[in-house]
Amino acid sequence: ETGVTQSPTHLIKTRGQQVTLRCSSQSGHNTVSWYQQALGQGPQFIFQYYREEENGRGNFPPRFSGLQFPNYSSELNVNALELDDSALYLCASSFRLAAYNEQFFGPGTRLTVL
Amino acid sequence: TQLLEQSPQFLSIQEGENLTVYCNSSSVFSSLQWYRQEPGEGPVLLVTVVTGGEVKKLKRLTFQFGDARKDSSLHITAAQPGDTGLYLCAGVNKWGKLIFGQGTELSVKP
Repeated sequence: ETGVTQSPTHLIKTRGQQVTLRCSSQSGHNTVSWYQQALGQGPQFIFQYYREEENGRGNFPPRFSGLQFPNYSSELNVNALELDDSALYLCASSFRLAAYNEQFFGPGTRLTVL
Repeated sequence: TQLLEQSPQFLSIQEGENLTVYCNSSSVFSSLQWYRQEPGEGPVLLVTVVTGGEVKKLKRLTFQFGDARKDSSLHITAAQPGDTGLYLCAGVNKWGKLIFGQGTELSVKP
């Protein structure tokens, strides 16, 4: 069984640029959620994708967008990067009908915005 | 807005000591999960508690869900250096989304 993988592991961008982060879900999982984790904080829910459609969104502006592909992998896109976007971005996969929405996290992508 | 407050935020103890981490909210959650996160890695699920008053044990870790399903605790007996990490509680809201607490950074010194 393959776990959740994310790429790249680290990324440095400058303000105003755009970034795309990628996630491959665990085999057998059909739902992907993205989280932002600032240093010293818990993860904050960005959005979730199921069947290639957004299925719930947290308190993040529209410049945070995503995609889910037929193989259940996913992308997180952030436009017009701001300094406060510097964080660890976590992807988690789950099975839509799982009893308690237990999620399996990837190792994250560390984004630094200069 | 549903919030989960964890306390303490930081905990530094000696090997062999006991400790308790608390996770409190004014909101009811359908279930609550505890995760452990090590530097450079994503959170790893430890346990899910579902029923009010439920107690689950995982070796030296004991998890409890409050009767009203608004709070939870994690108790570690005889902590070991390998227990060091960030402990996160996360409530599952009625829309099935995870709401995380800010985490408790635990350091166990040998």
